[in-house]
Amino acid sequence: TQLLEQSPQFLSIQEGENLTVYCNSSSVFSSLQWYRQEPGEGPVLLVTVVTGGEVKKLKRLTFQFGDARKDSSLHITAAQPGDTGLYLCAGEKTTDSWGKLQFGAGTQVVVTP
Amino acid sequence: GAVVSQHPSWVICKSGTSVKIECRSLDFQATTMFWYRQFPKQSLMLMATSNEGSKATYEQGVEKDKFLINHASLTLSTLTVTSAHPEDSSFYICSARRGSAIYNEQFFGPGTRLTVL
Repeated sequence: TQLLEQSPQFLSIQEGENLTVYCNSSSVFSSLQWYRQEPGEGPVLLVTVVTGGEVKKLKRLTFQFGDARKDSSLHITAAQPGDTGLYLCAGEKTTDSWGKLQFGAGTQVVVTP
Repeated sequence: GAVVSQHPSWVICKSGTSVKIECRSLDFQATTMFWYRQFPKQSLMLMATSNEGSKATYEQGVEKDKFLINHASLTLSTLTVTSAHPEDSSFYICSARRGSAIYNEQFFGPGTRLTVL
């Protein structure tokens, strides 16, 4: 079982629409990171959130960390084809050492023109 | 941002041979590096945590003698797949940890596609 549950697993939308990806867990995380990965490449770090209730914006992307630091969401406004990719959330548990990250299963996002 | 490189980007080898993959942090020092394996359309699976100057810590189910990890310096970790077999074919990705007093971030390499014939 995945420690971090991502939903949905797959999302296909038209250009200009909005979308939200969720990342949930029963564990508390000291930090949570969001990555985007394209086929045949390594994941690229989008954002790190560390404070409960924190909201960070990166252009059309809005990231939120839950108050209890157990969940997070990624919202994309007016999606573009360039947003297509595999979105991964990853958290560092408060009890883990060496900065080990727990990854969600990923959400495949496809934005069609 | 922090840059992590991997070499080679892809490799094809015959069954029974050994393959070495290098992971370098180019513009920062990484006391900890991680090695992941990824199957098509799946998330990353952590194989081992590599700490500079000490033995790697392997995840449950990962064969230590099969996947040899060496972290010789603050900017270089290597993964050697020994006596590779077709089932070892996969996408191998490394990451390097850049830590701070508050939280750490991992920066990933571009990955290495290994195909064992």
